Amino acid sequence: QVQLVESGGGVVQPGRSLRLSCAASGFTFSSYGMDWVRQAPGKGLEWVAVIWYDGSNKYYADSVKGRFTISRDNSKNTVYLQMNSLRAEDTAVYYCVRSQGGGMGEFDYWGQGTLVTVSS
Amino acid sequence: QLVLTQSPSASASLGASVKLTCTLSSGHSSYAIAWHQQRPEKGPRYLMKLNSDGSHSKGDGIPDRFSGSSSGAERYLTISSLQSEDEADYYCQTWGTGVVFGGGTKLTVL
Repeated sequence: QVQLVESGGGVVQPGRSLRLSCAASGFTFSSYGMDWVRQAPGKGLEWVAVIWYDGSNKYYADSVKGRFTISRDNSKNTVYLQMNSLRAEDTAVYYCVRSQGGGMGEFDYWGQGTLVTVSS
Repeated sequence: QLVLTQSPSASASLGASVKLTCTLSSGHSSYAIAWHQQRPEKGPRYLMKLNSDGSHSKGDGIPDRFSGSSSGAERYLTISSLQSEDEADYYCQTWGTGVVFGGGTKLTVL
């Protein structure tokens, strides 16, 4: 069965960096686009970034462009989110999701999420 | 600009049916969407992909009580025979040059 397991969340000071990881299993990882979606406390879902199945294309929400970088290692079935210059408004649960198709599409599997808290 | 609009809340009685709406912004009425359910204190779960012609494909293990339909720029999620476990937030999602979520509808089962 498809599993997406996020890790790397925690408490970090404003301006610092954090890297999230998502380990995938149960499907051919290299055939799917992968995304990160976040949810601030008490708020709705916000898309963060997508990476194509082969890493050839990456797109970001305006709110994180220039600060966050998505990447993947198909040999390790893992997708990453490098988050730099973190702000209080980046505090959220971050979900790893699989996109149908090789790039953007409907999100058909979600991870359980990892909490990132940006606070001094 | 690609935008999805949802009503903030809905309610229906146990055993009844409810129809939730997601509206695509002008010029985007041909777009497919996906519906996701998020129960309290849980992560989201994929329910289905819904095309502009009303055809839909559901996720693994999604009961037949959940169905989708379309009319113009509107995309609907119908839940029949409501159960207490259906009380949740429901989000629609679409994609183009980026990915967009609706604001979510909080469904209360009375």
